[in-house]
Amino acid sequence: QKEVEQDPGPLSVPEGAIVSLNCTYSNSAFQYFMWYRQYSRKGPELLMYTYSSGNKEDGRFTAQVDKSSKYISLFIRDSQPSDSATYLCAMSASGGSNYKLTFGKGTLLTVNP
Amino acid sequence: ETGVTQTPRHLVMGMTNKKSLKCEQHLGHNAMYWYKQSAKKPLELMFVYSLEERVENNSVPSRFSPECPNSSHLFLHLHTLQPEDSALYLCASSQVRGTEAFFGQGTRLTVV
Repeated sequence: QKEVEQDPGPLSVPEGAIVSLNCTYSNSAFQYFMWYRQYSRKGPELLMYTYSSGNKEDGRFTAQVDKSSKYISLFIRDSQPSDSATYLCAMSASGGSNYKLTFGKGTLLTVNP
Repeated sequence: ETGVTQTPRHLVMGMTNKKSLKCEQHLGHNAMYWYKQSAKKPLELMFVYSLEERVENNSVPSRFSPECPNSSHLFLHLHTLQPEDSALYLCASSQVRGTEAFFGQGTRLTVV
């Protein structure tokens, strides 16, 4: 089993839709969870950062972490064509100097006008 | 200049060439990373430098040689690469013991 599983898509939605992106993981030591957005031919851009379980909201974006299910989600409300990108989940374990991020493969999202 | 800057943005090199990728961060971070991004694969961590000391080398072939002269600069020296090394090479930085990594725009490398 891979440490982090992410459906690569592609996912295509109409403008204004609510988008749900998800990752599952197997390593129970993961405590820090991130979502990155990567536009074509660009580097990943940190979008959301969450520690442990719970929800975090930032504008149209909501990140959820369910550690009991080893499942994380990113919701995008009122999606816009400018949200079209690849979304990468990333996570790392807690403690000491463990700063290694483990990434999912990324989900390609297209928001159609 | 802000964030993480990588040069060059694009590089085409022959299998016998020697070239270097450069990364500079202006965030005051003290950990820097090289990642490789290939199509349909997760980002692969290649090297980690923490306080200018290499702390991780993920079984990367010796044709890739990193150098970290100070906490703001990171290089990746390339020689006798193979076509399968063609990929997007990303530099990132973070605080030591931090977890949020910030990425540069990457160098698109093509080996011919």
